[in-house]
Amino acid sequence: EAQVTQNPRYLITVTGKKLTVTCSQNMNHEYMSWYRQDPGLGLRQIYYSMNVEVTDKGDVPEGYKVSRKEKRNFPLILESPSPNQTSLYFCASSLIQGDREAFFGQGTRLTVV
Amino acid sequence: AQSVAQPEDQVNVAEGNPLTVKCTYSVSGNPYLFWYVQYPNRGLQFLLKYITGDNLVKGSYGFEAEFNKSQTSFHLKKPSALVSDSALYFCAVRINTGGFKTIFGAGTRLFVKA
Repeated sequence: EAQVTQNPRYLITVTGKKLTVTCSQNMNHEYMSWYRQDPGLGLRQIYYSMNVEVTDKGDVPEGYKVSRKEKRNFPLILESPSPNQTSLYFCASSLIQGDREAFFGQGTRLTVV
Repeated sequence: AQSVAQPEDQVNVAEGNPLTVKCTYSVSGNPYLFWYVQYPNRGLQFLLKYITGDNLVKGSYGFEAEFNKSQTSFHLKKPSALVSDSALYFCAVRINTGGFKTIFGAGTRLFVKA
């Protein structure tokens, strides 16, 4: 089954404790991205990757890191989480062409206390 | 600044009636336009897209959308709403910035009453 898998689904952590949210896709998609969803703001793009070892900033990259060492995986790293990073996070993947729709993971609800 | 606007936070419609969820955008160039739907505790699912050609595009679950270049709008429509259509709907534009960047609207919650 074609899917984007994120882990964990729910995470509560403390300020400053490094964490990683994993994302994996099995569709051989070149393009992957991370979004955060906040009420009234919709989805905002954090980082995206056009292919292995190619990443770029989205609209809200501050406080986040990503890596793309393999085509299928695109982890999101919070080196020192803060309460304003409490949000619902989505990973998405698609083929490289701009007119292709994205496939989304189930989401990760992160709470930073 | 490039942006996507969904002017209604919520749309209420009775089952069997037609529905419209509005979307306008302000971006440079000719973007690709998408609609996605989000059900509770789920990720977003693709509904339909406009790339080029006919201004009326048809998608999943009986939804369609009308592209209007002069008004820079891409409104989502359905002739007859179902209770099961109740969900959160997002309009998105994808623009070429060297890479491809996607901008989402804030979302519109659709309530269909039986």
